[in-house]
Amino acid sequence: QQPVQSPQAVILREGEDAVINCSSSKALYSVHWYRQKHGEAPVFLMILLKGGEQKGHEKISASFNEKKQQSSLYLTASQLSYSGTYFCGTEATGGYQKVTFGIGTKLQVIP
Amino acid sequence: DAGITQSPRHKVTETGTPVTLRCHQTENHRYMYWYRQDPGHGLRLIHYSYGVKDTDKGEVSDGYSVSRSKTEDFLLTLESATSSQTSVYFCATGAGGLREQFFGPGTRLTVL
Repeated sequence: QQPVQSPQAVILREGEDAVINCSSSKALYSVHWYRQKHGEAPVFLMILLKGGEQKGHEKISASFNEKKQQSSLYLTASQLSYSGTYFCGTEATGGYQKVTFGIGTKLQVIP
Repeated sequence: DAGITQSPRHKVTETGTPVTLRCHQTENHRYMYWYRQDPGHGLRLIHYSYGVKDTDKGEVSDGYSVSRSKTEDFLLTLESATSSQTSVYFCATGAGGLREQFFGPGTRLTVL
């Protein structure tokens, strides 16, 4: 079952912040975040493992609440280069590295 | 970047014909995956492999089969293509421990 992402789309002006949420009905071992630009392949951003740690990547960070099976991706001071579709992928406990992706959140940053 | 290639990159075929897509990697990664991407559905796992000759089904495996006889190659076969299999197909690999997946450039398949 695919994780649920919200919102499905968001438009930001440069410098604004955004949060993308991901939730699953399964007990999770890890949550992955990827970004895909139009016409390109998805690119890995970060992974959060069971344990609730928060990770960062430049001005993009994420958290993982394993009790609620939820993760959030935080984009601060957005740049034009942040535009793209963001996917969360979840690996269930005992999932043997099998990742299930959500339908994605389309982010557009405008000047 | 991981060395992952997919062939062909574009293909147009007719309903009922068999189609094989190839994924080739030069990174010696243990895990390999096939996804399809469709508007409104995101990335959906078709099949994946956790070692040579070791494969398992994903969430949308009906109508697809896979084979992995060598570490570097993962083949996806549509035994009898249907229009519903028109999609962009991505291959991905993973080394295991780090759990990060590296995606290939994708294959755009059109079934008429």
